[in-house]
Parts: sequence; C-alpha cells; structure tokens
Amino acid sequence: GDSVTQMEGPVTLSEEAFLTINCTYTATGYPSLFWYVQYPGEGLQLLLKATKADDKGSNKGFEATYRKETTSFHLEKGSVQVSDSAVYFCALSKAVNGANSKLTFGKGITLSVRP
Amino acid sequence: EAGVTQFPSHSVIEKGQTVTLRCDPISGHDNLYWYRRVMGKEIKFLLHFVKESKQDESGMPNNRFLAERTGGTYSTLKVQPAELEDSGVYFCASSPWVRGTEAFFGQGTRLTVV
Repeated sequence: GDSVTQMEGPVTLSEEAFLTINCTYTATGYPSLFWYVQYPGEGLQLLLKATKADDKGSNKGFEATYRKETTSFHLEKGSVQVSDSAVYFCALSKAVNGANSKLTFGKGITLSVRP
Repeated sequence: EAGVTQFPSHSVIEKGQTVTLRCDPISGHDNLYWYRRVMGKEIKFLLHFVKESKQDESGMPNNRFLAERTGGTYSTLKVQPAELEDSGVYFCASSPWVRGTEAFFGQGTRLTVV
C-alpha cells in the first residue's frame, strides 16, 4: 500500500539556521503531496502542497518540490524562526473516482528552534 | 467562518468503559474524515464519510469502533468497550466535494484509557 517516510527526529536548530526535513513516498499512480504543521495546542494546518511532478509548493518561507524521479518531497526553509517550532507531517493523497480521498501520513517530526 | 470543532478535547476513561467523540465539520463540507495518532507514530486513517454515507471504512481497527454521521452534518465516533491500545489523539477533518481541495483539521481529542 501507499506509505510516507519521514526522517527521524526531533530536530533542534538555532534561529536563522537552514532547515531541511526529508520526506519520501511510495505510491502507485499520481498522488498529491502535502506538508501539514501542528503548532503547540492547535490542530493540523496545511502548510503547502503540490499536485503533480516538478510542482513547487511554498508558504511562509517554506518550500517543497515534488520529485517523481526520487519519490521525494523534502521541506526546506532558508532561515527558521522560533515561531516555526512545531510538529511537521508529510502526507500524500490520491483521488478516488475523481473525488478527494484519505491522507496517508508520515510519522511527523518535532522541530524546536531556539533563540 | 467556524473551523472543524471536536469534543471533548481530552477524555480519560477506564478500560471497558464507553466513550463517544464528536466532530462538527465546516458547514457545507461533504467529506468528513476520522484519523488517529498513537503516541509517536503515524497519523492513521480510520474512516471517510461523504455526506451521511461511509465512503471508506478500511482503517477502522475493529468492531469496537462505531462511527456515524447524522444527516450528513456532525459525526460521532464511539469506542465500546475501550481498551488500553485505543489511547491516542483522534483527529477529524472535513473538506468540500471539489477534488484536490484542502482538508481542514480539528484540534483533536486526546483519549487516554487507563
């Protein structure tokens, strides 16, 4: 079945450091790829998405590029802030009969950014 | 516009008891999903409703779990009887019918079975 693999965490960085969180996937067909973020005390929020190969999703300074050849969707940010401290989840979804379908998530990784 | 709302935010029950979780999706969203995250592991899919119909219930772990969506509005997830391994955070999400649209998540219900 479909699966998503994220790098092991947690990750601790100093403010303004460069961030990369690796994500690879296994899926048949052409999934859409997502990064969700969960800030402390809140629900999951969509951070960015890409729906086809070579698409780049971006939001709040974060970027991820859908790489079909390496089945990857790594999350990057050039300069992290303390407010980026959260749990990050990589996920995929495939439409079924043309409609939205379930998300398949990775394990999530906790990012802590220190001042 | 109100987001996805889940009740309660926390629940602690004893093994063998019954618990009912509730999810109020965003108004007008036909799709409603239930997910669960056990400590430190993946968020796993449980169930997908389209309006009041169960579209996919392949993730439901066993027959101790019963989900309903009355009139295609709010949904409940009942666990009866609860076991220790049912502990985790239960998330609800909703999305419009239109393909490729974002799923909006609630804050989750943290269930602890002791």
